[in-house]
Formats: sequence, C-alpha cells, structure tokens
Amino acid sequence: QKEVEQDPGPLSVPEGAIVSLNCTYSNSAFQYFMWYRQYSRKGPELLMYTYSSGNKEDGRFTAQVDKSSKYISLFIRDSQPSDSATYLCAMSTGNQFYFGTGTSLTVIP
Amino acid sequence: SAVISQKPSRDICQRGTSLTIQCQVDSQVTMMFWYRQQPGQSLTLIATANQGSEATYESGFVIDKFPISRPNLTFSTLTVSNLSPEDSSIYLCSGRTAVNEKLFFGSGTQLSVL
Repeated sequence: QKEVEQDPGPLSVPEGAIVSLNCTYSNSAFQYFMWYRQYSRKGPELLMYTYSSGNKEDGRFTAQVDKSSKYISLFIRDSQPSDSATYLCAMSTGNQFYFGTGTSLTVIP
Repeated sequence: SAVISQKPSRDICQRGTSLTIQCQVDSQVTMMFWYRQQPGQSLTLIATANQGSEATYESGFVIDKFPISRPNLTFSTLTVSNLSPEDSSIYLCSGRTAVNEKLFFGSGTQLSVL
C-alpha cells in the first residue's frame, strides 16, 4: 500500500465550478499536510500548508484535513482557466515528505 | 517563501553523456534536496545535499550515477551521469529553512535523453 493515494484524474470542469481534490494516507505519523500546484514545465508551487485537522482557507482555496479518516481535500471555488494545472498533495512527519502522484485539472472557459 | 533558482530549465542530451543541474537558494534555506519526477509517479527523493560533505542518498540512488555537490550554504549541483533514455525525467531542486518547516521547489529541469 502506498503511503499517499491520489486520484490522477484527469479532471475537467467548466469555469466557475467548485473543484474537489482528494488524497488519502495510511501513516498516522503525518503531522503536516500540503497542496502544491504545478503548471506544465514548472516546479511545484506551495499552495496550502496545514498541521491540524479542520479547514484552512486562503482566497478561493480551502484545505481540509480529517486525521481520523486519514483524508485531505483541496476545494477550489469559482475555478478559473488559470487554475488548470496538476495538483499534488504532500504529507510530512516533520522530517520526511511523501507525495501523491498528482491530479491533472483543466478548467474550461 | 524561499527563493530557489534552478538551471537549465530543459535540455536534450545524447546517451552516454552527462548533465549538470545548478541550484541557487536564498539564505533562509538551510536544507537542500534533489528530487526526480517521472510521469504518473510521485516525487522521488534522490538525496539530501550536505554542505561541504558527501550527499546522503536514498535507496536506489548512488553517487556514481548522481554526484551532488554543495560547496556552500546556498548552492548545489546535481549531475546525472552516463545518461540513458530511462533518465529522461524532471529533476527538482528543493529546500526548507528547518525541520518541520515548509518545502519549496525550484522551477525544475526537464531532461530528455536520446
């Protein structure tokens, strides 16, 4: 079983839709949870960083962590064509990082 | 956020040659790492670049194939040696300011081996 599981998609939505991206994990030692956005031919850009269960909001982005279910989500409200990218979830024990395989998202104008 | 500059952004190399990738970080970064990203796979840690000493390699990666230098706190290089088509991948430099802190990435190097 992989440490982190992420549906690769691809996911295609119309502009303005709410997008939900999800990851599950198996290691209860994970303390930090992240979402990265990666545009084609670019490095991953840190979008959201949290270390507790619950929700964290930043503009149109909301990161949700449920440690009891070992499940994290990223919600994108009012999605824009510029949100078209691959989204990577990542988790950390503080020392080591584990990444999902990424979900490819396309927002259609 | 930490600033991490990486070059080249992409290169096409012949089988049997080598490619050296450079990474420059700002002074906030104390820990530097090199990752590989292959299509459909999660990021794989190649090694931790240690200042002034040999890098710490992960299982499956060896110094002869992936020599790494870090002569000072803010600069590191990764060389991919004796290239084969299987080395075609994105290579990423990354850094963090301390343990338990966020991990930031450079812009990546897209390597294609013919």
